[in-house]
Amino acid sequence: QVQLVQSGAEVKKPGASVKVSCKTSAYTFTDYYIHWVRQAPGQGLEWMGWINPDSGGTKYAQKFQGRVTMTRDTSISTTYMELSRLTPDDTAVYFCARDTNTWSYDYWGQGTLVTVSS
Amino acid sequence: DIQMTQSPSSLSASVGDRVTITCQASQDISNYLNWYQQKPGKAPKLLIYDASNLETGVPSRFSGSGSGTDFTFTISSLQPEDIATYYCQQYDNLRLTFGGGTKVEIK
Repeated sequence: QVQLVQSGAEVKKPGASVKVSCKTSAYTFTDYYIHWVRQAPGQGLEWMGWINPDSGGTKYAQKFQGRVTMTRDTSISTTYMELSRLTPDDTAVYFCARDTNTWSYDYWGQGTLVTVSS
Repeated sequence: DIQMTQSPSSLSASVGDRVTITCQASQDISNYLNWYQQKPGKAPKLLIYDASNLETGVPSRFSGSGSGTDFTFTISSLQPEDIATYYCQQYDNLRLTFGGGTKVEIK
């Protein structure tokens, strides 16, 4: 069955960067966009951007432009989300999600908690 | 980015009640609107896509309607397992935005 498996929890200091991975399986990696969505503790969902695993093309939310980078490694069916210049406001669970090709999500990763604290 | 205003932010209803949640877009998004259910500690689950289409396997008590800027999500008869937070999500011009969420509780 389709699976998206994310890397483990991270603790970072303000000003640092974090890179979260999302390894996919049981489908053709290059056929579906991957999006990244985050959720701060007790808060709502926030879309960060997407990557086209085939071309490597990306689109980011304006809020994260210049601070987020999404990449992929087709050889291991994995996408990455790197967020730089972290502040405590970036403390959140970060999800990857597979796009159905109609801008909705059918499969999600389990989430990765990133904690930013001095 | 397009802003999505979802209301109410929370509601309490009895089992069997009809529950309605609204989502308003800051500009015309046609029918590019999805609805998700999220239970605590879990990833969201797609319920409705393209404003009014029921995702496969989702109970028929869930429905959606609307187009342009105003959208409605309805649970026709609230069940105990529907306790969750619901989110609308728009997609337009290759960017996406979520509404703020509605937490549904049992009275």
